[in-house]
Amino acid sequence: DTEVTQTPKHLVMGMTNKKSLKCEQHMGHRAMYWYKQKAKKPPELMFVYSYEKLSINESVPSRFSPECPNSSLLNLHLHALQPEDSALYLCASSQDWGRDIVYTFGSGTRLTVV
Amino acid sequence: AQKITQTQPGMFVQEKEAVTLDCTYDTSDPSYGLFWYKQPSSGEMIFLIYQGSYDQQNATEGRYSLNFQKARKSANLVISASQLGDSAMYFCAMREGLNQGGKLIFGQGTELSVKP
Repeated sequence: DTEVTQTPKHLVMGMTNKKSLKCEQHMGHRAMYWYKQKAKKPPELMFVYSYEKLSINESVPSRFSPECPNSSLLNLHLHALQPEDSALYLCASSQDWGRDIVYTFGSGTRLTVV
Repeated sequence: AQKITQTQPGMFVQEKEAVTLDCTYDTSDPSYGLFWYKQPSSGEMIFLIYQGSYDQQNATEGRYSLNFQKARKSANLVISASQLGDSAMYFCAMREGLNQGGKLIFGQGTELSVKP
């Protein structure tokens, strides 16, 4: 299995809602990442998890709350989002240590905040 | 701080011709990895090719090759024999450090359109 699976593919939520994005991989990767991508822009790193521990938080607002319950699963909990948070959210995974590390991305969740 | 620059917002190429997408980078770390990804309109980020900073030879993967010029800090992607399915956004990306995971940063991207 060489895939990163993200669910849901599309999500529409109100500004008062609570929702979660899910990311799963079974490649034995011990580093997992959340990126946010606005239309026609490059992905921007949000969080990095290494061995289920948060190692990088790129000063993301607290309305985004990541969680890594085990080595295969990464969640992004959303609460009280703003319309400007509408974007494509990409999950990626990689080995944490080794030669020529490559990042594998999921297909993303397209989030619309109304 | 690491930086990636793609100066071509959009490119057109005729089907079956070759095309070069430009990428320059800046880092003070002697060890780094350079990546190219393709992103179709569906949104998935598809890995194309990788070059490590100590690799002596340019990386190749099928129709994709990476023209790595270390002294000029450039890592251009060459696509040979373009196909209609190559129309997509292409991102150059870099990670500092060779043997560990970590922050992967992206250039602004180049939108490639292949004409029949």
